[in-house]
This record gives sequence, C-alpha cells and structure tokens, in this order.
Amino acid sequence: QKEVEQNSGPLSVPEGAIASLNCTYSDRGSQSFFWYRQYSGKSPELIMSIYSNGDKEDGRFTAQLNKASQYVSLLIRDSQPSDSATYLCAAQNYGGSQGNLIFGKGTKLSVKP
Amino acid sequence: KAGVTQTPRYLIKTRGQQVTLSCSPISGHRSVSWYQQTPGQGLQFLFEYFSETQRNKGNFPGRFSGRQFSNSRSEMNVSTLELGDSALYLCASSGTGGDPETQYFGPGTRLLVL
Repeated sequence: QKEVEQNSGPLSVPEGAIASLNCTYSDRGSQSFFWYRQYSGKSPELIMSIYSNGDKEDGRFTAQLNKASQYVSLLIRDSQPSDSATYLCAAQNYGGSQGNLIFGKGTKLSVKP
Repeated sequence: KAGVTQTPRYLIKTRGQQVTLSCSPISGHRSVSWYQQTPGQGLQFLFEYFSETQRNKGNFPGRFSGRQFSNSRSEMNVSTLELGDSALYLCASSGTGGDPETQYFGPGTRLLVL
C-alpha cells in the first residue's frame, strides 16, 4: 500500500515565524513531489513541486527532498495569517501508466497574528 | 489562460440515483484525473484519462466510471449512489510538455447524497 504520511496538526505558529511541515512516503519509486495548499471549502492550490534531492526555493517557500530518507518538507518563512490553511503533500510515480498522486491527509496550519 | 472548470459546483441526490460530473481541463492539457475528497479518507485517486483512454484507475467500485472526449473534456459517473459517496469530487488536469505531470485542480463538485 503506497502511503504518504503527514502530521495532521494543527500546527500553530506566530505571525512572522517559520512554519515547518513534514511528510514521509512509502513508495521508493516516487519521482515527483508536490505541496498543495487548501483553504477551507476550496480546492487544492499548487505551491511547489520538487523532483531532485535538496532544496528548492520560491519566494517565502522552500521545499526539501531527501529520497534516501523518503522525506519531504516545506518551510514557510515570515508566516502570515493568510497562510492559515491545510497543506497537502503528494507523491507521484509516473513510470509507465502510473500518474496518479498519492496524497497525505494534510497538516492544518494556523498562523496567529 | 483559463483554469480547470467543473460543473455543477453543488449537487444533492438521493440514494440509488446516479450522477454525472463534468470537467474541462486547462487548454492544451490532455490528461484529466479525478479525485474524491472526504474528511475521513482525505484525497483519493479515482482514475486518470489521457487522449480518451483510461490510463490509470484507483481502488473504487465499478459504480464509479468516467470517460474523456476528443477535446479532453471529461465526465465521471456514479451509479446507484450511496450515502458514503457524499464528498468533494475534484478534477485535475496536466500535460503542457514543460512540466507534464504537475496537476492543477478545478474548484470541485460538492455532492451530497441523502
């Protein structure tokens, strides 16, 4: 059973702090990893994708991937109340005909003003 | 460029009925995937269509089916609805050549089965 695990939270951080979200995956064949943000009642919105080991930065967001440890993380610097949402980690093994995303159940982030 | 669109946005049905949901992908995208999201199970993959062919299927009963048309628009159908089918149904499209597997989600169809 291919799984993606996330701490459900809630994770509460003060405004301006760094929020750290973590995710582990079970399928060693996973090649692509994604972080989506989902506001209550809305659909998931892509934040970042990462394919190679190491860090990838985009504005206030940094994704980190360690394939040896099967671990993905998302750092949000200078957290804002508008970052309060559920963050979904997803892994994808697109070899052959496999293209579906395996999602974690999400970590709920709350940024307090 | 317009995003993924889904219709209808909200739907109320009764047990035993069937329902058809529609998804129009981002222009130029050829792959459409469908997901079911519930509070208990989270986001679960239903199936993926690419060039009118089902390319991948999740672990859902045969009551859940789909198809894709030549213009890449997709529909999913759920027959003999059960209370447990109440969920947010999300469609995602992908396939631009540059980042072919990144999936972009539509707004979803919220289905309530009474």
